[in-house]
Amino acid sequence: KQEVTQIPAALSVPEGENLVLNCSFTDSAIYNLQWFRQDPGKGLTSLLLIQSSQREQTSGRLNASLDKSSGRSTLYIAASQPGDSATYLCAVRQGGSEKLVFGKGTKLTVNP
Amino acid sequence: DAGITQSPRHKVTETGTPVTLRCHQTENHRYMYWYRQDPGHGLRLIHYSYGVKDTDKGEVSDGYSVSRSKTEDFLLTLESATSSQTSVYFCATTLGETQYFGPGTRLLVL
Repeated sequence: KQEVTQIPAALSVPEGENLVLNCSFTDSAIYNLQWFRQDPGKGLTSLLLIQSSQREQTSGRLNASLDKSSGRSTLYIAASQPGDSATYLCAVRQGGSEKLVFGKGTKLTVNP
Repeated sequence: DAGITQSPRHKVTETGTPVTLRCHQTENHRYMYWYRQDPGHGLRLIHYSYGVKDTDKGEVSDGYSVSRSKTEDFLLTLESATSSQTSVYFCATTLGETQYFGPGTRLLVL
């Protein structure tokens, strides 16, 4: 059974700092991995999707990497801003499945 | 934005009563999902649908049923609500590889 872990559960940084969020998964036979953002009281918003054959994806100040063989992904946020404060979740899709397995998320606070 | 709405957005009900939550999408996506989100457990899949009248169970399906009679609507029914079903419920759809989420329904079972 696939398990997805995100460490740390919470992270607080000063504005302007570059930071890395971590996601690990136990079964490397994934089809893709997706990073989401969730603001308090809201639904999830997709940030980046990495196919199993890709090593990284970039969108603006966000860069997600994938090392499938070691079961790890990172989300790099450059020059963090208070507006980046949210919970970030990663989710993996197994090959042959339409279902996602989610981590519990990392709650990020960026202090002005 | 995948045009997903959920109703109601908030509901308080009593133990033992049936409850139906509705998810409506405007983009004609084939796949639809119901999740629940709870502190300490994260997001867990309840049921999903891969077409009209085609549904399957997720990891926490006990006590829940679903129906999809039209592409745009996916209903989640709590057959006899229990306090353990107090949660935030999210509907989602998939377009290509990306999953899109609705705004959620907060359900409190007293």
